Amino acid sequence: QKEVEQDPGPLSVPEGAIVSLNCTYSNSAFQYFMWYRQYSRKGPELLMYTYSSGNKEDGRFTAQVDKSSKYISLFIRDSQPSDSATYLCAMSYSSGNTPLVFGKGTRLSVIA
Amino acid sequence: GAVVSQHPSRVICKSGTSVKIECRSLDFQATTMFWYRQFPKQSLMLMATSNEGSKATYEQGVEKDKFLINHASLTLSTLTVTSAHPEDSSFYICSARITGTGGNSPLHFGNGTRLTVT
Repeated sequence: QKEVEQDPGPLSVPEGAIVSLNCTYSNSAFQYFMWYRQYSRKGPELLMYTYSSGNKEDGRFTAQVDKSSKYISLFIRDSQPSDSATYLCAMSYSSGNTPLVFGKGTRLSVIA
Repeated sequence: GAVVSQHPSRVICKSGTSVKIECRSLDFQATTMFWYRQFPKQSLMLMATSNEGSKATYEQGVEKDKFLINHASLTLSTLTVTSAHPEDSSFYICSARITGTGGNSPLHFGNGTRLTVT
């Protein structure tokens, strides 16, 4: 079992839809969670950074963490064609200057 | 803030030659930088951790003599692909963590370098 599981998609939705992206993880040592957006041929861009279980909202984006279930989600409201990208979840451990462990990424297409 | 500049964005080289990729943190200091490699439709695979003033730490299976990393200052790390072969063709991405923000803080990424070896 991989440390971080993420459905690669692709996921195609109409403009204006609510998008739900998810990751599961197996290692309870992960304590910090991030979502990145990556456009084609570009580096990943940080969208959300969370620690606690619960919800964190930033504009149209909501990150949700459930540490008891080892499950994280990213919701995108009122999706736009410009949201079309690959979304990567990432996690880090509670201590040490360690690299992030990434999910495989989910390719999202928002159709106008 | 937290801008990472990576150069070049694209390079084509002949088999057997070496290529140097630069990664700069423009508005912050980065004691630690991480180099990733990404194949098409795949996730990021960590290659090595670069620490300012010391030797890089390589992940299992990554040849340290082939992928030379130098982190000479708090704002610059370089990756040199030596004696490149077609199988080294990939998308290389550097990332940096802002010094002093804690080992769990997010990484900030450059825009990647697409290397094609002919």
